[in-house]
Amino acid sequence: DQQVKQNSPSLSVQEGRISILNCDYTNSMFDYFLWYKKYPAEGPTFLISISSIKDKNEDGRFTVFLNKSAKHLSLHIVPSQPGDSAVYFCAALLSGSARQLTFGSGTQLTVLP
Amino acid sequence: NAGVMQNPRHLVRRRGQEARLRCSPVKGHSHVYWYRQLPEEGLKFMVYLQKENIIDESGMPKERFSAEFPKEGPSILRIQQVVRGDSAAYFCASSPPNRGTEAFFGQGTRLTVV
Repeated sequence: DQQVKQNSPSLSVQEGRISILNCDYTNSMFDYFLWYKKYPAEGPTFLISISSIKDKNEDGRFTVFLNKSAKHLSLHIVPSQPGDSAVYFCAALLSGSARQLTFGSGTQLTVLP
Repeated sequence: NAGVMQNPRHLVRRRGQEARLRCSPVKGHSHVYWYRQLPEEGLKFMVYLQKENIIDESGMPKERFSAEFPKEGPSILRIQQVVRGDSAAYFCASSPPNRGTEAFFGQGTRLTVV
């Protein structure tokens, strides 16, 4: 029973264009969402996050959008660069004292030069 | 300013042996989390520990797996009598008190059971 879903296992984008990675969740008790980037043989590194009280958070080339009614969030990367090629994981935190992250299965982004 | 340190990076064990995975959190972080990533899957939560306490082990298999975070020294994830299905990447993360959203991950230990 996957509570956080990333339905696209892979995405290819041309350098300089926009990359859009999508994530859906089912548990309405999630109130904080994060995106992590992971290179092979390394641990996930935090990229950007958003609280459920917001619908958008921007940090440089990265913007996360949250649509609570649709239980959907997306990560936009613009312009995409070859160094952005990695696996991107969406993760969610439950409200309250629980601290463990619930991860999606990841999307492999390939940015073509 | 060292991040989360995990060792070993790679561990090969024969079926039936014990595996010990170590995690040293970021200095000053008192919360440690262990996650497991099976091939082609996302990370799955296993256990959440504070110093000398297991806070949540709801993701841990009931048998053969145990975790500790002693007052001194690293956190240890122990897998007894390993089986082929235990082969995975095991990641440790740490966070400061009361700021669980700021979890930093180590590079992981890749366990292979032969």
